[in-house]
Amino acid sequence: AQSVAQPEDQVNVAEGNPLTVKCTYSVSGNPYLFWYVQYPNRGLQFLLKYITGDNLVKGSYGFEAEFNKSQTSFHLKKPSALVSDSALYFCAVRDDAGGTSYGKLTFGQGTILTVHP
Amino acid sequence: NAGVTQTPKFRVLKTGQSMTLLCAQDMNHEYMYWYRQDPGMGLRLIHYSVGEGTTAKGEVPDGYNVSRLKKQNFLLGLESAAPSQTSVYFCASIRVGAREAFFGQGTRLTVV
Repeated sequence: AQSVAQPEDQVNVAEGNPLTVKCTYSVSGNPYLFWYVQYPNRGLQFLLKYITGDNLVKGSYGFEAEFNKSQTSFHLKKPSALVSDSALYFCAVRDDAGGTSYGKLTFGQGTILTVHP
Repeated sequence: NAGVTQTPKFRVLKTGQSMTLLCAQDMNHEYMYWYRQDPGMGLRLIHYSVGEGTTAKGEVPDGYNVSRLKKQNFLLGLESAAPSQTSVYFCASIRVGAREAFFGQGTRLTVV
C-alpha cells in the first residue's frame, strides 16, 4: 500500500522569506512523486514531479522539491515566498509497482500555506 | 483541446435525491478516476477505470456507482444522496505509461 503524510496543516511565512512544505511517503516500489496547488474555489494545478534522475526538481512559479530516498521525503521549497503563493498544497505519490498500480494517486491531507506581506 | 471537463461545476441536492456527475476527456486516455476532496482529508479515490467497460473500487466507494460505456466518458452516480457526500469531486485521466495525470476543475456538491 502507498501512503503520504503532510505533517503540517498550516505553514505561515513572511513574504520574501524561504518556504518549505513537508511531505513524507511510503511505497513498495519506486515512487512517482507530485506536488499540486489549489487556489480558493479553483481546481488542482500541477506544480512539479519526481520520476527519476536529479534529486532536486524544479517546477512552476519558482517552486522546487527535493527528493530524499533515505528519508522518504519530498519537501516543497521556494527561496523567496510571495503573497500570491498563499494556497492549499497537496503532495501525492504513485507506486511504480510493475504497472499494477494503474496510475492511482494517493494524496496527503494538504497544507495551507499563508504568506504574510 | 479541452482536456478533462466535468459537468456540472456546482450542484445542491436534497437528501435522498439522485444525480450523475459527468467526466469527459478528449485525450484518448485509457485510465480515468473519481476522487473526492474533504477538508483535512486530501483527495481520496472513489472509483477508477482502466478501460472502456471496466470499473473498480477505490478507497471510499460506498454510496457511489460508476460507468464507463465510452472510453472518453466516466460517470459517477449517487443513487440516494446523503449529507456525508457533500464534497468537491475531481475527475482525472492518464494515458497508459504516462507519469502525470490530468485533472478536471472539480464539481462542488452540497447535500442538504
